Amino acid sequence: SAVISQKPSRDICQRGTSLTIQCQVDSQVTMMFWYRQQPGQSLTLIATANQGSEATYESGFVIDKFPISRPNLTFSTLTVSNMSPEDSSIYLCSVEDYERVHVNEQFFGPGTRLTVL
Amino acid sequence: KQEVTQIPAALSVPEGENLVLNCSFTDSAIYNLQWFRQDPGKGLTSLLLIQSSQREQTSGRLNASLDKSSGRSTLYIAASQPGDSATYLCAVGVRGGGNKLTFGTGTQLKVEL
Repeated sequence: SAVISQKPSRDICQRGTSLTIQCQVDSQVTMMFWYRQQPGQSLTLIATANQGSEATYESGFVIDKFPISRPNLTFSTLTVSNMSPEDSSIYLCSVEDYERVHVNEQFFGPGTRLTVL
Repeated sequence: KQEVTQIPAALSVPEGENLVLNCSFTDSAIYNLQWFRQDPGKGLTSLLLIQSSQREQTSGRLNASLDKSSGRSTLYIAASQPGDSATYLCAVGVRGGGNKLTFGTGTQLKVEL
């Protein structure tokens, strides 16, 4: 299975600032996904990032607030812009295993725990 | 809109007990169903994936079943161990620009010595 790393692992930020989260995969993958897990809640899909095209956002999430880059097949970033305390969450990236794409099993990074003061 | 529910929300069992976690979903038009575990403060670990055409999958002490027509999946854990303590999440996948997962609410499991 793909090995996924995220940076930073956690951060405490001030209201109104922005944070960029990096997701690195040890193999080439077609599809990458970004999820949010608010305190005490389950995961919600923010957007799908396909290399070479604009990210596709789910209802309730917009590009101005969560810009995503996908410059190559092993890397993606998610920026949380103009943060408020409501953005305090764990942000996780996931990938579909490229070699097993017909199975569509997803693997997740360790997450970035964000606290906004 | 797909909704995924897991019952029970929390479960505490003595070591060695066999247990069943339940997952139900409202839209049977799924592509697959995946079970994960999440340890406190950590990411998700994939346990089992069941394709929509399959009925069950097994890995070690874990067995997951899928009844798509009734919108249900179960995760069976045999001979539970303290190391099994974690939150278990089921997620149903639909195709459409990648396999988008809708997650359940989770079952928090504690296995006591």
